[in-house]
Amino acid sequence: AQKITQTQPGMFVQEKEAVTLDCTYDTSDPSYGLFWYKQPSSGEMIFLIYQGSYDQQNATEGRYSLNFQKARKSANLVISASQLGDSAMYFCAMRDHDMRFGAGTRLTVKP
Amino acid sequence: GAGVSQTPSNKVTEKGKYVELRCDPISGHTALYWYRQSLGQGPEFLIYFQGTGAADDSGLPNDRFFAVRPEGSVSTLKIQRTERGDSAVYLCASSLGVSGMGDTQYFGPGTRLTVL
Repeated sequence: AQKITQTQPGMFVQEKEAVTLDCTYDTSDPSYGLFWYKQPSSGEMIFLIYQGSYDQQNATEGRYSLNFQKARKSANLVISASQLGDSAMYFCAMRDHDMRFGAGTRLTVKP
Repeated sequence: GAGVSQTPSNKVTEKGKYVELRCDPISGHTALYWYRQSLGQGPEFLIYFQGTGAADDSGLPNDRFFAVRPEGSVSTLKIQRTERGDSAVYLCASSLGVSGMGDTQYFGPGTRLTVL
């Protein structure tokens, strides 16, 4: 069964603006972790941010923040002040028993 | 410190041949994971090691796929009788292996396998 859904195959954002990448998930476990990774054209998966299911506050890491809405089972990634180097594939992942990834969103930052 | 390394970066083989893909995790990481990423998709879990033992191999697609980690560090993914459908990027990741869902996995650059 599909556990992670990323509904936006591609997104465009103007440089210096903020962008939200959507992610919804499905699990019956009360304990789980949510992750976002960036994959540039070079292919390496780069860890960005983590949110635990019991965390009360939304995670933030520099220009990245995770908008965690537990009741809606969503874990959207917000990138503020987009830069040209942010252009990449972005994957949402959830870990309960194992780690599952979504299909990804390709973000393109326009100058 | 050094990140996860994988060799070779590219491997081209013929259908029916045997291949080995190597992963060298971050020093001190006890957990190691293998994933397969097909074009246009997210990584798909294959197998997870905690130390030397395979803690979860439920993602291996069939018995042609096998992985080992004999000394709890370097791991080798072995594919027998390769098929064209095995063509993909094989990603390795490692983590500290601590308990809890926040045990972050750090990925290597991947091995691109092409089966002709």
